[in-house]
Amino acid sequence: AAGVIQSPRHLIKEKRETATLKCYPIPRHDTVYWYQQGPGQDPQFLISFYEKMQSDKGSIPDRFSAQQFSDYHSELNMSSLELGDSALYFCASSLGPTDTQYFGPGTRLTVL
Amino acid sequence: AQSVTQLDSQVPVFEEAPVELRCNYSSSVSVYLFWYVQYPNQGLQLLLKYLSGSTLVKGINGFEAEFNKSQTSFHLRKPSVHISDTAEYFCAVSAPLSGGYNKLIFGAGTRLAVHP
Repeated sequence: AAGVIQSPRHLIKEKRETATLKCYPIPRHDTVYWYQQGPGQDPQFLISFYEKMQSDKGSIPDRFSAQQFSDYHSELNMSSLELGDSALYFCASSLGPTDTQYFGPGTRLTVL
Repeated sequence: AQSVTQLDSQVPVFEEAPVELRCNYSSSVSVYLFWYVQYPNQGLQLLLKYLSGSTLVKGINGFEAEFNKSQTSFHLRKPSVHISDTAEYFCAVSAPLSGGYNKLIFGAGTRLAVHP
């Protein structure tokens, strides 16, 4: 069965650079979620979208922005990167904003 | 507000032994509970979920969990573990956001280490 696709899988950036993470949900899923997992930590909710409408934000810095497109894929844009942004970024998708969330393999971002 | 507490950060166990990973939750609304597994350098895979109905939930790979409302627990069990079960296990609760959205709140995780 098709799963959530995230690209790139690994990304290395310098401080103050920008990064764009992409998420392609499971076919027919219209809701996407972004989570951040720091080293040795549990995943923390950042933001979600349903039918291109943004939910309340979680612990997402103002330097980050995200959007969902008409084909339901989503992009997380991160600017002025800091060392502390180094983490595993997960995207999840669901069929509707209250259904079970299925996670992608994650993008590992390293900021040097 | 919703929260999840995983009582054990690490659980070592020998192969073919039974295991229980403990999870307690707090929630002021109807609760949806999940267990996810994360193998090294991989994403989160759904093991099982409780939405309503039977309190004993069966999942993949021989795992099961029991929802206990009076004890606010959702412990994960497996009667006989394999080396391949070595992974990080996360308990999660669904928390509502405004506008009908939901987010997952995760526990700190339990590292299951299965030894031969």
